[in-house]
Amino acid sequence: DAGVIQSPRHEVTEMGQEVTLRCKLISGHNSLFWYRQTMMRGLELLIYFNNNVPIDDSGMPEDRFSAKMPNASFSTLKIQPSEPRDSAVYFCASSSGTGVIGSGEQFFGPGTRLTVL
Amino acid sequence: GEDVEQSLFLSVREGDSSVINCTYTDSSSTYLYWYKQEPGAGLQLLTYIFSNMDMKQDQRLTVLLNKKDKHLSLRIADTQTGDSAIYFCAESTDGNKLVFGAGTILRVKS
Repeated sequence: DAGVIQSPRHEVTEMGQEVTLRCKLISGHNSLFWYRQTMMRGLELLIYFNNNVPIDDSGMPEDRFSAKMPNASFSTLKIQPSEPRDSAVYFCASSSGTGVIGSGEQFFGPGTRLTVL
Repeated sequence: GEDVEQSLFLSVREGDSSVINCTYTDSSSTYLYWYKQEPGAGLQLLTYIFSNMDMKQDQRLTVLLNKKDKHLSLRIADTQTGDSAIYFCAESTDGNKLVFGAGTILRVKS
């Protein structure tokens, strides 16, 4: 398996523009997690899905952020409108939810580095 | 809310042992994890321990848990330059939502 795939790897945009980040889960995994990593705040969980259903979105910063799973293998994270303070590395991770530690074994993608000017 | 704290930086010589420490606040933490992040990459699970365990050993890695003090440590024996990375401690009560520490940068000098 190719692992978790994220696109784009780098995104530079101007304030006010819409940004869409994409993630393809590992085949057979049923849990999907979106994280944001910054120097100031570390790694923050934004939202996670189980079987395509959002379970906990308490980490989503505000209404400008939205995430969807249109099917079992794909997810998008959208920011509209984007702001400079959204600049960060965004990771998605997937998990099978099976095994002794459930969804604790998460497989991370390489991340998308977002810069909002 | 839950909080996980780690020291920011550790520097060791190649061949020495590294010990990375972590403290957490949630007494209902059931699962505790160590993840590794190499430059430009996502996190990778290294090892984990259940809260009812004191120690877990996996090749060069030893995890120690002091549940009373809510203290977790990761010992890497015979540290190699390839071990240079950021190490994250994380805890979870349900095995789904993980709370990560800020990460410890490990630098290995040859």
